[in-house]
Amino acid sequence: GESVGLHLPTLSVQEGDNSIINCAYSNSASDYFIWYKQESGKGPQFIIDIRSNMDKRQGQRVTVLLNKTVKHLSLQIAATQPGDSAVYFCAENMSYGGSQGNLIFGKGTKLSVKP
Amino acid sequence: DAGVTQSPTHLIKTRGQQVTLRCSPKSGHDTVSWYQQALGQGPQFIFQYYEEEERQRGNFPDRFSGHQFPNYSSELNVNALLLGDSALYLCASSWGRGEAQHFGDGTRLSIL
Repeated sequence: GESVGLHLPTLSVQEGDNSIINCAYSNSASDYFIWYKQESGKGPQFIIDIRSNMDKRQGQRVTVLLNKTVKHLSLQIAATQPGDSAVYFCAENMSYGGSQGNLIFGKGTKLSVKP
Repeated sequence: DAGVTQSPTHLIKTRGQQVTLRCSPKSGHDTVSWYQQALGQGPQFIFQYYEEEERQRGNFPDRFSGHQFPNYSSELNVNALLLGDSALYLCASSWGRGEAQHFGDGTRLSIL
């Protein structure tokens, strides 16, 4: 079946540095992508999303890049802080009848920020 | 503005029993989706409810069933529990078409 995967299972960065978390997706029909942050004992928290008609979207300290040619998604976090330590998931979605259907998640990347 | 709330937070059951988990969507949201998250894995889609009907379903057996009420809240029922059903069960809500799904903190279900 189709799946979303991540290149790196763990990422360790120094506080203040920029972080880049990568994700590969395999379903070319996916048209909506979301990044979630999940802290221990909590549910996934929405960070940023992007639709397939865009290649870049910026939020507060975060940027998502979408490369449809190679089916690659990345999340860039600027000036990484200890509070950014968590597991990050990318999720893909295929619109179903014009509305958002189920999300397909990868296994996640654990980001550790060293003070 | 309350986010997605789930109850209970933790639950312990034995094999063969039945369980009901509950979810209240974020205010203004009308669509509820349920996911199962095994330890160390990403969430897996179970099903989605809209207008009190199951709109989409993932690869889960009929032991998993659900319901959505007129106030948009939802229940997930699992019958004949198996050890492999031990997981974090997440509820996500969204509004209308193409809107991002927002998650609750889940119910941790342990099967003994």
